[in-house]
Amino acid sequence: RKEVEQDPGPFNVPEGATVAFNCTYSNSASQSFFWYRQDCRKEPKLLMSVYSSGNEDGRFTAQLNRASQYISLLIRDSKLSDSATYLCVVTFEYGNKLVFGAGTILRVKS
Amino acid sequence: EAQVTQNPRYLITVTGKKLTVTCSQNMNHEYMSWYRQDPGLGLRQIYYSMNVEVTDKGDVPEGYKVSRKEKRNFPLILESPSPNQTSLYFCASSALGPGETQYFGPGTRLLVL
Repeated sequence: RKEVEQDPGPFNVPEGATVAFNCTYSNSASQSFFWYRQDCRKEPKLLMSVYSSGNEDGRFTAQLNRASQYISLLIRDSKLSDSATYLCVVTFEYGNKLVFGAGTILRVKS
Repeated sequence: EAQVTQNPRYLITVTGKKLTVTCSQNMNHEYMSWYRQDPGLGLRQIYYSMNVEVTDKGDVPEGYKVSRKEKRNFPLILESPSPNQTSLYFCASSALGPGETQYFGPGTRLLVL
């Protein structure tokens, strides 16, 4: 089993749609969780951290379910510029190691 | 400007010819790490460093070496590159550790013939 698993997609959605991605992780001791965005093989950039209580940043909402060991990202009112690969990232080994999921591809079309 | 730089950005080499990819950050970050990215596999951590002279293996360290003699630099060394090391490589840094925002370099595309 992979340490961090994501649905690779692609998710093809029209502008204005709401889309949700899930990510599962294998280590129940993991402490930190993130969503990163990567455009076309460029460097990843932090989209948002994920907190136990859930958090929102504009059109983006992240949720963490520790009991089921999954993280979600919800994007509302999708824009063309949201087209990218979204990477789920989790810390392992007492927080010293970062593990990335393989990414979920989102394509927003007009 | 706060940044992570990598050199070279593109490299074509032959099997067995030693090479070094440099990584430098100007943010006084403690934590630095190297990743390789391959299609369908995502980013996999090669090595990381919590501080000067402190390095540790990630998930895929075989065939790679690193050093951290200064806080700002974290070079990746391939002593004897092989074709299966053809990949896109990223260096990253963060202030204190992996639980914080990682700032990535622009990437190095390596082709080993």
